[in-house]
Amino acid sequence: GQQLNQSPQSMFIQEGEDVSMNCTSSSIFNTWLWYKQDPGEGPVLLIALYKAGELTSNGRLTAQFGITRKDSFLNISASIPSDVGIYFCAGQRDTNAGKSTFGDGTTLTVKP
Amino acid sequence: DGGITQSPKYLFRKEGQNVTLSCEQNLNHDAMYWYRQDPGQGLRLIYYSQIVNDFQKGDIAEGYSVSREKKESFPLTVTSAQKNPTAFYLCASSKGGSSYNSPLHFGNGTRLTVT
Repeated sequence: GQQLNQSPQSMFIQEGEDVSMNCTSSSIFNTWLWYKQDPGEGPVLLIALYKAGELTSNGRLTAQFGITRKDSFLNISASIPSDVGIYFCAGQRDTNAGKSTFGDGTTLTVKP
Repeated sequence: DGGITQSPKYLFRKEGQNVTLSCEQNLNHDAMYWYRQDPGQGLRLIYYSQIVNDFQKGDIAEGYSVSREKKESFPLTVTSAQKNPTAFYLCASSKGGSSYNSPLHFGNGTRLTVT
């Protein structure tokens, strides 16, 4: 099946630092989604992107839908301890009947 | 509050036994999905259903079965044919229909351990 390459696999940062992670694919997606998963819970949607080139913010989070439709990035500014978790990107194609393809996740650790 | 409920949170079974994981949603969503999550890996799609009484295999359907008799419910059975059943299982739903690219809403998962 389609694969998403998400990087980095893990990040260890100091509180207050900015964070950047990205996803790339060899296939085009029509929708990019970013989720966060806390330990022992299900992922929660952070940002949804529906148009190539779209730049969307949600508080300290900013995500962009790459112009080629094959990549997306997520930035977190001024990290805080509760940002800890696993961040997943996911891509959807119109022909996929709503199926999402997920990256392997970026595990974020924030040191106070 | 609307949401997705998965039960139980933790499940332990002996090898060779079938086990059914429950997933109920009250979001009035048409589409429902089952994903499997293993440590350090992304979510892999097991089965999905776009409408009642219809479902499709995902990427790793072997050893699993589902039913969709009601819009609200999408139970997953892990059969004895599944070679590596120990995992974290996540159920999700989305609006579906003409909103086929709507985001997923996830339950809080069931951690299945088979020994």
